[in-house]
Amino acid sequence: EVQLVESGGGLVQPGGSRRLSCAASGFTFGTYSMSWVRQAPGKGLEWVSYISARATTIFYADSVKGRFTISRDNAKNSLDLQMNSLRAEDTAVYYCVRDGGNDWFDPWGQGTLVTVSS
Amino acid sequence: QSVVTQSPSASGTPGQRVTISCSGSSSNIGSNTVSWYQQLPGTAPTLLIYSDNHRPSGVPDRFSGSKSGTSASLAINGLQSEDEAEYYCAAWDDSLNGYVFGTGTKVTAL
Repeated sequence: EVQLVESGGGLVQPGGSRRLSCAASGFTFGTYSMSWVRQAPGKGLEWVSYISARATTIFYADSVKGRFTISRDNAKNSLDLQMNSLRAEDTAVYYCVRDGGNDWFDPWGQGTLVTVSS
Repeated sequence: QSVVTQSPSASGTPGQRVTISCSGSSSNIGSNTVSWYQQLPGTAPTLLIYSDNHRPSGVPDRFSGSKSGTSASLAINGLQSEDEAEYYCAAWDDSLNGYVFGTGTKVTAL
């Protein structure tokens, strides 16, 4: 079974940092692009960042550019999102998703909630 | 605010056909494929349609997708109560170098 499990969410103060991780299983992780997608409480979906299978291509949404860093370890089947200079508007459930090459996101992890508040 | 817009809500009685629209531009829907996601209350989204009109295995055939120009549509033929959910379209945007999601449509079975 293809599975993605996020971890690392929690409460963080404005200006602080947090590192999210995603453990992948059930597929050949190193052959797929991956993305992070977030959803603020009661709001819609927002794409955050993309990384290609071998990490040669990386993209970020303008809202997080310069503050967030996406990375992956294909040997460990893991995807990370380092979030710095966090703001209240970064409060959201963060989903790890397998990326079908500009075509689909499947599956989605269960999500991990990051709350930025003092 | 999203560059891809959807009507905020849609509804129908069980068995009716419900259509959801997704309006974008030449840099996203007009030049890239569209996918659709269903988000049941309190759960993570799941893939419903990919490559404009393809259903993953396990998705009921009452769900269908189409695209014309810079707009896409999701149709639910024979609405069921378990289809009550939020629905999102998505596409790659060549100008933004990123994905864009639609604003979401809440579907209600009356």
